[in-house]
Amino acid sequence: GIQVEQSPPDLILQEGANSTLRCNFSDSVNNLQWFHQNPWGQLINLFYIPSGTKQNGRLSATTVATERYSLLYISSSQTTDSGVYFCAVVNYGGSQGNLIFGKGTKLSVKP
Amino acid sequence: GAVVSQHPSRVICKSGTSVKIECRSLDFQATTMFWYRQFPKQSLMLMATSNEGSKATYEQGVEKDKFLINHASLTLSTLTVTSAHPEDSSFYICSAPRVGYGYTFGSGTRLTVV
Repeated sequence: GIQVEQSPPDLILQEGANSTLRCNFSDSVNNLQWFHQNPWGQLINLFYIPSGTKQNGRLSATTVATERYSLLYISSSQTTDSGVYFCAVVNYGGSQGNLIFGKGTKLSVKP
Repeated sequence: GAVVSQHPSRVICKSGTSVKIECRSLDFQATTMFWYRQFPKQSLMLMATSNEGSKATYEQGVEKDKFLINHASLTLSTLTVTSAHPEDSSFYICSAPRVGYGYTFGSGTRLTVV
């Protein structure tokens, strides 16, 4: 099946710093999403981005489907950005259409 | 938007009892609902896929008689953990796809079996 790799696994930032999270996937996808999981476990959908670039406030994401990677940019990080960021994909042509998750990047933003 | 409501958010039960978790799509019809399980500090793993009006499809290694899934309507899917054991303690979360919105997740259920 399709493999989803996220890097780095852990990231510690000082408040105000910028960061880039990466997601590589091993096969063609027809859906890619970035999620933020807060300390209570809730998954917040950040971007639905199978291709192209999107921006939402301090966050932006770019997916280059032909090269099988996606990047999540966080600018001027805040302590509330802390948590785990997951990239998840749906394999193009997959029989069930379920999301396959990477292992996540744990982000800690220090005041 | 696309909202999935999941209840309960947290439950503690005794070994041997059963627990039912509900997921409702509030503003769209969810013909398919995916059920995931997440252990501490790990990623989400798909347990099963439920489709309205048909039997659920379980991933390899997931006991279908232990994790009963019902998807009787286009807005409600339920997961029942039967004869729960401490090793079933985990975070369970449902997800439904919606065209144009991607996949929306419920808020999750933290199950503790004592």
